Amino acid sequence: DAMVIQNPRYQVTQFGKPVTLSCSQTLNHNVMYWYQQKSSQAPKLLFHYYDKDFNNEADTPDNFQSRRPNTSFCFLDIRSPGLGDAAMYLCATSRAGYRSSDEQYFGPGTRLTVT
Amino acid sequence: GQQLNQSPQSMFIQEGEDVSMNCTSSSIFNTWLWYKQDPGEGPVLLIALYKAGELTSNGRLTAQFGITRKDSFLNISASIPSDVGIYFCAGLGTSGSRLTFGEGTQLTVNP
Repeated sequence: DAMVIQNPRYQVTQFGKPVTLSCSQTLNHNVMYWYQQKSSQAPKLLFHYYDKDFNNEADTPDNFQSRRPNTSFCFLDIRSPGLGDAAMYLCATSRAGYRSSDEQYFGPGTRLTVT
Repeated sequence: GQQLNQSPQSMFIQEGEDVSMNCTSSSIFNTWLWYKQDPGEGPVLLIALYKAGELTSNGRLTAQFGITRKDSFLNISASIPSDVGIYFCAGLGTSGSRLTFGEGTQLTVNP
């Protein structure tokens, strides 16, 4: 089945220790998104890639970066995690981006704990 | 920026009851999406709506795209325990691919 896969499902890191979360998709979608979701809140968009074009949200901290080496994979790098970065991180994909109404499909998420 | 007001915030119902939740906005949306999120999982797309006035069903779920393009509702009929979860509405506006999410409705179904 075509899907969005996130690894690992649970990640524990230490305060200040860099961590990378990964996302892959078999949907062949050209747009990939990273969201942060804290308890009982709606997902918050961090950034997205339209093909290789990176689009950062204005309020995304510099501590968060992303890489998309090819269509299928996208990574979220947190350079120096703080306690406030503990959250669920969701990857999503869609077929098209700008000027197009479209559906986003989410992965199962990675729960990040910062100790 | 665009905002969505989703209500109610939470609902406690008995198994077999029907449920209704809605989202409203002061802005126009081109697409309305309804998602369900189980604890510890990502949101799952339930229904997508693309036209003002559109009424779409998916099993026991029915959703409508408001005529004004500023609101949408989701109905669940004959609820069952596995309907428990958080339901999010999301709208896609005229400016591109950024979804605007509602605050979510936490649904609890008592057997």
